[in-house]
Amino acid sequence: HLLESGGGLVQPGGSLTLSCGASGFTFSQDAMTWVRQAPGQGLEWVSSISATGGSTYYADSVKGRFTISRDNFKNTFYLHMTSLSAEDTAIYYCAKDSGRWGDFDYWGQGTLVTVSS
Amino acid sequence: EVVLTQSPATLSLSPGERATLSCRASQSISRFLAWYQQKPGQAPRLLIYDASERAADIPARFSGSGSGTEFTLTITSLEPEDFAVYYCQQRTYWPPLTFGGGTKVEIK
Repeated sequence: HLLESGGGLVQPGGSLTLSCGASGFTFSQDAMTWVRQAPGQGLEWVSSISATGGSTYYADSVKGRFTISRDNFKNTFYLHMTSLSAEDTAIYYCAKDSGRWGDFDYWGQGTLVTVSS
Repeated sequence: EVVLTQSPATLSLSPGERATLSCRASQSISRFLAWYQQKPGQAPRLLIYDASERAADIPARFSGSGSGTEFTLTITSLEPEDFAVYYCQQRTYWPPLTFGGGTKVEIK
């Protein structure tokens, strides 16, 4: 249902854009979210976007550096990440909002972002 | 920011035993709490939403309870596939959405 792409190795200070393609549901009706998990650590909410894309929300740790966006015609949403540091190294999961605004009933398998020189 | 504290960090049990996991919120969050299960190398899976509602296709041995600041996830009789890490997550006050630190249920 959800398939992430775009992860990889990037140098500190670099940029990367993650994509999450959706299928099997009416993408344009659901808010979407990025959650990350550093190696061996717990889950951390990163960013969310409303169904229309008109509202976006960010964790303080990424505000000003990451931008979430979506293209409802392509059933895809994105996370553009800049000024990356080692602390951003994690598996990034995309997740579909359940409709209750703030919990997630479908998740992608994740894409690994490694920030290292 | 609502801080969620899960306990214990690790729970060592045998198949067939009952598991009781706790999640405490730093302020009242009504009943807007979810539980997720995560197995190694897999994405999280929604188990429980709104404190006590089972998500689709979740077996009846999983149940949730609580409101306000104290919440519990109970697995009545552990199956081999239930050994995993469990996270709670609140959606009452956000941003930021917050997760607990997780409880690992391991085989004794």
